[in-house]
Amino acid sequence: DARVTQTPRHKVTEMGQEVTMRCQPILGHNTVFWYRQTMMQGLELLAYFRNRAPLDDSGMPKDRFSAEMPDATLATLKIQPSEPRDSAVYFCASGLVTLTPGLAGGPSTDTQYFGPGTRLTVL
Amino acid sequence: RKEVEQDPGPFNVPEGATVAFNCTYSNSASQSFFWYRQDCRKEPKLLMSVYSSGNEDGRFTAQLNRASQYISLLIRDSKLSDSATYLCVVNSLERRFGAGTRLTVKP
Repeated sequence: DARVTQTPRHKVTEMGQEVTMRCQPILGHNTVFWYRQTMMQGLELLAYFRNRAPLDDSGMPKDRFSAEMPDATLATLKIQPSEPRDSAVYFCASGLVTLTPGLAGGPSTDTQYFGPGTRLTVL
Repeated sequence: RKEVEQDPGPFNVPEGATVAFNCTYSNSASQSFFWYRQDCRKEPKLLMSVYSSGNEDGRFTAQLNRASQYISLLIRDSKLSDSATYLCVVNSLERRFGAGTRLTVKP
């Protein structure tokens, strides 16, 4: 049963420290998404990649957040320096985008599978 | 206006009740639609896709109204185990999630 894995599951750190979250997408999936969820804001899209290339990171605070995919089996989200307002659950999700022949508008998306999340607390 | 808006909830219903959630979207070019379920302190999980002709999966029925730009989820004969937050998802390529509607089914 293929699953998205995320590490660490929980992270408590002090303000100003660097935080790195990792995600292993499901083998064969070509899109990876990073989300942040808080009680106040709900589920927010931070960034997403297709075939390891960043397609949209407009939801991410650029001054402190960075997202990368060093290879097809690893996606990372870094926060440096971390702040208390970054406290949230960070989810990674992966999916498969395929071209649907004849469909105007281009690619279509398959189901998106979420990892268990990283619960981050910044003190 | 948010891209995706959901009934705010919370919905508190007795077992056996029928409950319906709506979700409106602003992007008329949206191509695919889904309902996800999220249990407390867990990740969202796909409940069902929403097809243009409407689709049913057991006690769950999903419908799409492109003209009015909304999707709906109907749960019949609700169970205690249906208690969760239900998120609608509308997308072109990236996912846009609604804020979620919390459902509590009581004995």
